[in-house]
Amino acid sequence: QKEVEQNSGPLSVPEGAIASLNCTYSDRGSQSFFWYRQYSGKSPELIMFIYSNGDKEDGRFTAQLNKASQYVSLLIRDSQPSDSATYLCAVNKWSTGFQKLVFGTGTRLLVSP
Amino acid sequence: GAVVSQHPSWVICKSGTSVKIECRSLDFQATTMFWYRQFPKQSLMLMATSNEGSKATYEQGVEKDKFLINHASLTLSTLTVTSAHPEDSSFYICSAEQGPRNQPQHFGDGTRLSIL
Repeated sequence: QKEVEQNSGPLSVPEGAIASLNCTYSDRGSQSFFWYRQYSGKSPELIMFIYSNGDKEDGRFTAQLNKASQYVSLLIRDSQPSDSATYLCAVNKWSTGFQKLVFGTGTRLLVSP
Repeated sequence: GAVVSQHPSWVICKSGTSVKIECRSLDFQATTMFWYRQFPKQSLMLMATSNEGSKATYEQGVEKDKFLINHASLTLSTLTVTSAHPEDSSFYICSAEQGPRNQPQHFGDGTRLSIL
């Protein structure tokens, strides 16, 4: 089982729709969860982070965390063509005194005009 | 805030050359920086964790003698790819942790390395 799993997609949604991106993780001890957006050929850009169960909203983005189900999701409302990118889910992992991030393989999102 | 600068952004060099990549946190101090490698259509793979003033911690399978990491200050970490070969061609990305426990990592723009 992979430590962080995401559906590779592509997830295709029309402009203005809600895009729902999902991620599951295996380590119950994980405490921090991050969503990064990566455009082709570019480095990842932080979109959201969440530490507690429930929802966290920031503009058009909502992160949802359910630690009991080991599930974290990202909702993008009013999707725009500029949201088309690969979305990476990352989960923290403690290793010999420092924290590192474990990334999923990413979900490619395509928003059509 | 939380800007990470990486230089150079693009390198093409001959096989056998050593290449140094710099990673700087511009507006915050980063005790810990991270080096990733990303091959086309794959996710980020952590290569090593760089701690200011101490030796880097390498992930399994990463050759520490080939990928030299130095973290001399709270704002600068360097990765040197020694005697680079075509199979080392990849997208190398650094990140810096903004603060203590559980804080986000912020990424540099990446360095695209092509070895001929």
